[in-house]
Amino acid sequence: DGGITQSPKYLFRKEGQNVTLSCEQNLNHDAMYWYRQDPGQGLRLIYYSQIVNDFQKGDIAEGYSVSREKKESFPLTVTSAQKNPTAFYLCASSAVQSYNSPLHFGNGTRLTVT
Amino acid sequence: AQKITQTQPGMFVQEKEAVTLDCTYDTSDQSYGLFWYKQPSSGEMIFLIYQGSYDEQNATEGRYSLNFQKARKSANLVISASQLGDSAMYFCAMREGTNAGKSTFGDGTTLTVKP
Repeated sequence: DGGITQSPKYLFRKEGQNVTLSCEQNLNHDAMYWYRQDPGQGLRLIYYSQIVNDFQKGDIAEGYSVSREKKESFPLTVTSAQKNPTAFYLCASSAVQSYNSPLHFGNGTRLTVT
Repeated sequence: AQKITQTQPGMFVQEKEAVTLDCTYDTSDQSYGLFWYKQPSSGEMIFLIYQGSYDEQNATEGRYSLNFQKARKSANLVISASQLGDSAMYFCAMREGTNAGKSTFGDGTTLTVKP
């Protein structure tokens, strides 16, 4: 079955450490996205990528970095520069980056930094 | 200004009844899409229904329909014959033609279906 796999489901890190969240899709989608969700709130866009080797900052990119070396993969690194990294992170993809293309989401990674 | 506004933080509905979740949007684009997503307590986001700005008919998907009123800039989700499994958070979202990389989400509505 096609879908998006995020791993791990839960991640715990000490403050000051970088951490990388994995996102893999086998939907053959061109576009991929990373969102952050805080308790009781909507989603905020961190980074997005329309094609391989190209990505753009979203609304809250500070303290995060991404790479898109393969069409299937879009890992997100939460760096020590991110002031409040504890959150629920959702990876998504869409067939194309177009206004009529719905997002398909992974199951999310819940990151806790202490 | 908020691009997507969901004014109902929480809603209750009796099982088997219909419920409407409100969503208003703000855009100056001619081409845009409106989406509804469901987020159960497990966390995954599930795409429910899509309405395009040029669509003249309201979208329907099974028990879900979208009441699209373009002049009022509203895109309300109607769930018919509510089931206990419909209890979840529901998000309205928009993608604009001039900036399609950035979907904008509302703050969500928590729906609780009572037996």
